[in-house]
Amino acid sequence: DQQVKQNSPSLSVQEGRISILNCDYTNSMFDYFLWYKKYPAEGPTFLISISSIKDKNEDGRFTVFLNKSAKHLSLHIVPSQPGDSAVYFCAASEENNFNKFYFGSGTKLNVKP
Amino acid sequence: GAVVSQHPSRVICKSGTSVKIECRSLDFQATTMFWYRQFPKQSLMLMATSNEGSKATYEQGVEKDKFLINHASLTLSTLTVTSAHPEDSSFYICSASPTSGGRDTQYFGPGTRLTVL
Repeated sequence: DQQVKQNSPSLSVQEGRISILNCDYTNSMFDYFLWYKKYPAEGPTFLISISSIKDKNEDGRFTVFLNKSAKHLSLHIVPSQPGDSAVYFCAASEENNFNKFYFGSGTKLNVKP
Repeated sequence: GAVVSQHPSRVICKSGTSVKIECRSLDFQATTMFWYRQFPKQSLMLMATSNEGSKATYEQGVEKDKFLINHASLTLSTLTVTSAHPEDSSFYICSASPTSGGRDTQYFGPGTRLTVL
């Protein structure tokens, strides 16, 4: 039972434009959400997170939006750069078991020069 | 930043043999380490949580006698796939959480590709 879903396996964007990666979840007990970035042959690295008490968190070119009523979050990258090309994973956790991450299946982003 | 290594990065073995995968936190101490498995085009699935000095906690559906986990020190956890079969072929990835870490601090290794012939 997939509690975190990323329905777009891939996304292609032109350099300089906005990349929007989406993630949906089903578990209303999730209170913390994270985005990880993964290059080939490397482990996922933490990118940005958001607590359920917020609806937006921004860090430089990266912004995560959370819509709790829709159980949806998105990662915006603007402007997109070729170095952003990677697989992006969405993850979620519950307060009472915050070390247990539920991951989506990932979205492969390709930023074209 | 914090570094987690895994060894080997890739292993091919015959059916029926056992394979050990190591996960090391190189520049921090990790009370807790995690083992994940990823099938192609699917999400990372948590297999077990490895706690230093105590027994691992396995997720539902994961056979603890098949996937042996040992967290002998604050920097090393091992996953042994016993009597491996072709269906165990997968990408295994570990992560480690620093002793004093918060909710963002789970650092991942590069993963191990296991192929069972």
